[in-house]
Amino acid sequence: DGGITQSPKYLFRKEGQNVTLSCEQNLNHDAMYWYRQDPGQGLRLIYYSQIVNDFQKGDIAEGYSVSREKKESFPLTVTSAQKNPTAFYLCASSRGSGSTPGQYFGPGTRLTVT
Amino acid sequence: GQQLNQSPQSMFIQEGEDVSMNCTSSSIFNTWLWYKQDPGEGPVLLIALYKAGELTSNGRLTAQFGITRKDSFLNISASIPSDVGIYFCAAQNNAGNMLTFGGGTRLMVKP
Repeated sequence: DGGITQSPKYLFRKEGQNVTLSCEQNLNHDAMYWYRQDPGQGLRLIYYSQIVNDFQKGDIAEGYSVSREKKESFPLTVTSAQKNPTAFYLCASSRGSGSTPGQYFGPGTRLTVT
Repeated sequence: GQQLNQSPQSMFIQEGEDVSMNCTSSSIFNTWLWYKQDPGEGPVLLIALYKAGELTSNGRLTAQFGITRKDSFLNISASIPSDVGIYFCAAQNNAGNMLTFGGGTRLMVKP
């Protein structure tokens, strides 16, 4: 079954700790994305990567970091510098630029920091 | 970043009623997409529209790409309880696969 997996589904951390959220896809998509969703809100873009070993900041990149060492994987690290890290985090992927439009989303990770 | 103007923000309807929601933008887009997000899950693509004026159906869902390329609407006919969720519009230009999202319409259906 092709798709996007995010793990874990729920994550709890103490304030001041860095935490890494996993995102893996076996769709052979070139591009991958991280979004943040707060209760009752839409999606805000954190980081995106159009190709391996390259990534760009989105609208709310401060306090986050990413890497793209493999095509299938795009982990997101929420650092202690992120002031309000508690949120629902969504990973998505898409074919390369110029291909069939649309992004496909994973099931999300709900991060709670206390 | 730029957001699409999606309305209404929320709707509470009776089972069996029809639903309509729309998205508008001040910019022109080449593709419009509609997603549904169930509570606690990731959004799932429902319908994609690629041509101005295009009308596309998927079961009880019908969506149209506005002729001006600045808007789109989604209709759901004969709503059922499992239609509950948040519906997002999204739009894209040819340059890359970046999406601009609407703020979402939260749909609640009373049995």
